[in-house]
Amino acid sequence: KNEVEQSPQNLTAQEGEFITINCSYSVGISALHWLQQHPGGGIVSLFMLSSGKKKHGRLIATINIQEKHSSLHITASHPRDSAVYICAALYSGGGADGLTFGKGTHLIIQP
Amino acid sequence: EAQVTQNPRYLITVTGKKLTVTCSQNMNHEYMSWYRQDPGLGLRQIYYSMNVEVTDKGDVPEGYKVSRKEKRNFPLILESPSPNQTSLYFCASSWDPPTFYNSPLHFGNGTRLTVT
Repeated sequence: KNEVEQSPQNLTAQEGEFITINCSYSVGISALHWLQQHPGGGIVSLFMLSSGKKKHGRLIATINIQEKHSSLHITASHPRDSAVYICAALYSGGGADGLTFGKGTHLIIQP
Repeated sequence: EAQVTQNPRYLITVTGKKLTVTCSQNMNHEYMSWYRQDPGLGLRQIYYSMNVEVTDKGDVPEGYKVSRKEKRNFPLILESPSPNQTSLYFCASSWDPPTFYNSPLHFGNGTRLTVT
């Protein structure tokens, strides 16, 4: 079974700190998603990427295909960034096998 | 407003009583999918659909049924719910299976199901 590992599981930081969340996957993928789950439970898609780097506001996502690793960075973190961040890998293969999800990183930003 | 609508948000039921969780999207998406989320296990795919009348099993399909008679709707059916199906359920849709390169996943707000 293809796996997706996230680290850390839990992260508490002070407002303004630079945040890094890591995601590793076991074999080749065709795409990787970063998702944000708000405390109320809703999930929104932040990024989809298959190579390189994407930036949206204070959020940056990178992927290194050779190292099978992706990172999500948050610059100038704010309490409203507190959420669970989930990476999900779409594994290559015949047909649409769907996404494999990491277990999530629970981020708390303290004022 | 573009959205995925799930109903109900909360549901408490008893073992064996058939139930349906509805999911509807207004974005004309081809791909729709159901997930369950459990503490310590993360999101797991139950069933997905590439288009009308095309459905396939995900990682944890046992005890669930789905149908895709219309593009916008993808209901999740529990014919005989059991307590191990107590979970938080999400429906999602997207334009472009299976690569999602240019198409984000749009999630519903979730349905918290308790089976006693």
